[in-house]
Parts: sequence; C-alpha cells; structure tokens
Amino acid sequence: DADVTQTPRNRITKTGKRIMLECSQTKGHDRMYWYRQDPGLGLRLIYYSFDVKDINKGEISDGYSVSRQAQAKFSLSLESAIPNQTALYFCATSGAWDWNEQFFGPGTRLTVL
Amino acid sequence: TQLLEQSPQFLSIQEGENLTVYCNSSSVFSSLQWYRQEPGEGPVLLVTVVTGGEVKKLKRLTFQFGDARKDSSLHITAAQPGDTGLYLCAGVYAGGTSYGKLTFGQGTILTVHP
Repeated sequence: DADVTQTPRNRITKTGKRIMLECSQTKGHDRMYWYRQDPGLGLRLIYYSFDVKDINKGEISDGYSVSRQAQAKFSLSLESAIPNQTALYFCATSGAWDWNEQFFGPGTRLTVL
Repeated sequence: TQLLEQSPQFLSIQEGENLTVYCNSSSVFSSLQWYRQEPGEGPVLLVTVVTGGEVKKLKRLTFQFGDARKDSSLHITAAQPGDTGLYLCAGVYAGGTSYGKLTFGQGTILTVHP
C-alpha cells in the first residue's frame, strides 16, 4: 500500500463550487504539506502543518483552507473554486529530523470549468 | 521572496549523451534536494546534499553542492530513455523564516530519445 494517498485522483468541477481534497499517510510523520503544480512553475507551497495543532500559510494560500484532522490526515479545501485554480495538487509528508526530505502522494488533477 | 532558478527548462537529447542541470540561488541553503517526477505520479526524492562542496553519486547520476551552498548541479552520464522525466531541485534556505519549508525550482523536462 502507498505511504501517502490522495483522493480523488481526478476531479472536474464548476466555478463557485466548494471542493475538498484529502490526504492520508501511514509514514507516521508529523509534518504535512499541500503543494500546487503548474507547468513551468515547479511546486508552490499552499499550506503546511508541523503537527495536529499547527497550521501555517505557504506562499499561495489565498482561496484555499486546510484542516489537520489527525496526525495522518490533512485536507485542502477550495471554498469557491475558480478556473485559475485548475492545477495538479500534491500532498507531502516529512519527518522532523531528516533535512525536510519529503514524500509525495500521487497527486490530484483538478479542473475548474 | 527567495528564488531558486533551475536551468535549462527543457532538454531533448539522444541516448548515450551526457547532460547537466543547474540550480542557482542568491541565498544560502541549509540543505538541497533533487527529485524526479514521472507523468501521473508525485516527485520522488533522489538525493539530499547538505555540505558545501559535497558530491554524491547515484549510478549514472552525479550531484554536486556548491562550496558556498548557493547552487547545485545534476549531471547524467550516458543518458538512457528511462531517465526521461521532470527533474526538480528544492532547497531549505538557511535562516529561521524558512524552517521546515522547501522552495522548488521550476523544473527541467528531460527527454531522452532512443
């Protein structure tokens, strides 16, 4: 079984809809991250969490929110989706003492029409 | 905003050729990583470098960290079609505001033709 799983893998939605992307991990890591990937822009950090009670904004948090329901679960919400949020979204985990090496999920391809 | 410049953005080469990908910043890294990503999958860690001047080898891949810890390179010898993919560098900048966060370069799309 994969260490980091994301659901759904693909999603098509309409402008204005609320959507939630979910991430679960079995690596036992405290740190979890949400990234967005667009062509030519690498990965950009949306939100990150170092433990269940810790939530931090990344470089592109506007229009997004997150919830850390448990050590193993970290969800990303788009409260009112817009077309320029069409992208690949990745969840990642990291241990605290390993140079922040990250383990990524398979990604969610989101299309907002 | 700290920027991590990766070049080139695209590389298209023939099997057997050598290539180098560069990652540069004006700021110092406490550590730097290289990832490889294939279509439909998330990035997978290849290597982490932490010491200025450090060189690490992974089969035909050689990773180097600059002496000042502001730059890194990935060199592939005798590239094979299986090396095709997106290569990403990512660093943790020295300094408290970057604690626990990676900054990614834009990526290099490598295509190796048989």
